Amino acid sequence: KNQVEQSPQSLIILEGKNCTLQCNYTVSPFSNLRWYKQDTGRGPVSLTIMTFSENTKSNGRYTATLDADTKQSSLHITASQLSDSASYICVVQGGKLIFGQGTELSVKP
Amino acid sequence: SQTIHQWPATLVQPVGSPLSLECTVEGTSNPNLYWYRQAAGRGLQLLFYSVGIGQISSEVPQNLSASRPQDRQFILSSKKLLLSDSGFYLCAWSVRDGFYEQYFGPGTRLTVT
Repeated sequence: KNQVEQSPQSLIILEGKNCTLQCNYTVSPFSNLRWYKQDTGRGPVSLTIMTFSENTKSNGRYTATLDADTKQSSLHITASQLSDSASYICVVQGGKLIFGQGTELSVKP
Repeated sequence: SQTIHQWPATLVQPVGSPLSLECTVEGTSNPNLYWYRQAAGRGLQLLFYSVGIGQISSEVPQNLSASRPQDRQFILSSKKLLLSDSGFYLCAWSVRDGFYEQYFGPGTRLTVT
């Protein structure tokens, strides 16, 4: 069964700290993996897209990694800001897009 | 540049009433169009997608329907709303070729009372 599982479900960190969000998937065939940021009450916005040949991709303070062998991805946020508070969604494209449930990140001052 | 619009932004409707949500895309031609629903605390669920005018694929059986009367217009409808239809509805578009990035609209918050 094609699934995308994210952990943790929610996370609270202090402003300025780093954090890492996890995504494990069992999607086949695999085309690409995406990370989206969704602010409360808004549509998701793409952060990164990686194909199986890409190990890492950065977008500002966001760095995504992909291990296609273990079918794991992570999203690392450096020097967190209050505006990073959002839901982060991992999406894997096989034949279809399979969405994870998201990790709710709260950055506190 | 491309822009995607959704309206209304919020909607409160009684059970049994009809529904019509509209989505339009500007700045691109022949997009793939999608309707998603996000229930409170849940992930995104794909409801419908369309690869062209009049071409609708349904992902989940339900009392909702979708139509694409024009190339860049996508409409989500219901004849009679259920309480379970409450949620955050998102429209998205993508180009057709390659591994396509999806661009989401601002969403419609629907509350069925």
